[in-house]
Amino acid sequence: QSVLTQPPSVSGAPGQRVTISCTGSSSNLGAGYDVHWYQQLPGTAPKLLIHGNNNRPSGVPDRFSGSKSGTSASLAITGLRAEDEADYYCQSYDSSLSGSVFGGGTKLTVL
Amino acid sequence: EVQLVESGGGLIQPGGSLRLSCAASGFTVSSNYMSWVRQAPGKGLEWVSVIYSGGATYYADSVKGRFTISRDNSKNTLYLQMNSLRAEDTAVYYCARAQLGISHYYFDYWGQGTLVTASS
Repeated sequence: QSVLTQPPSVSGAPGQRVTISCTGSSSNLGAGYDVHWYQQLPGTAPKLLIHGNNNRPSGVPDRFSGSKSGTSASLAITGLRAEDEADYYCQSYDSSLSGSVFGGGTKLTVL
Repeated sequence: EVQLVESGGGLIQPGGSLRLSCAASGFTVSSNYMSWVRQAPGKGLEWVSVIYSGGATYYADSVKGRFTISRDNSKNTLYLQMNSLRAEDTAVYYCARAQLGISHYYFDYWGQGTLVTASS
């Protein structure tokens, strides 16, 4: 059971928009800690996708965007492409655990 | 160019010890927060430990008292000493640079990972 809750899977057709939710609690997202998102392509290491709720590192397409409100956050992907098929993880900090926490991950399938 | 290269993984019997290494290039380990994150086969990511630039260390409850994170500034290398290994420690272990954001850190660069298998 992960501290941050994500849906196990989402899917969408090429060109569509999908969102992935990340739900926390008063000791992490609700305490004001930022959320960050990672993309993990099959057989590879995770890659930073969004940091500080809605900031894209250099090289990440603007099709990816993030938002956070209260104890929830979401990652939106527009103009879905086949190469977006991957696992996506949210991450934050939990004050009661005094450490970083990850969501359980969401597998995105491009139909 | 920032690079992180892990080594030291392998097959180890439960109860045994192993030390993982993460050689960094393109930046100075001692000036950054550095972390270990693991991923059990077919499972999600789990944060393991972090060492701050000032030297403070923190651990996930699942490894506290058994694992020790450290660094060698002269070698620009991060380590994870793992003792009393259990079957549930079986995972790919990633080394990651932790970038300090406004509220806490996130992981901006990752190594390719090294597999640790604790099994008899």
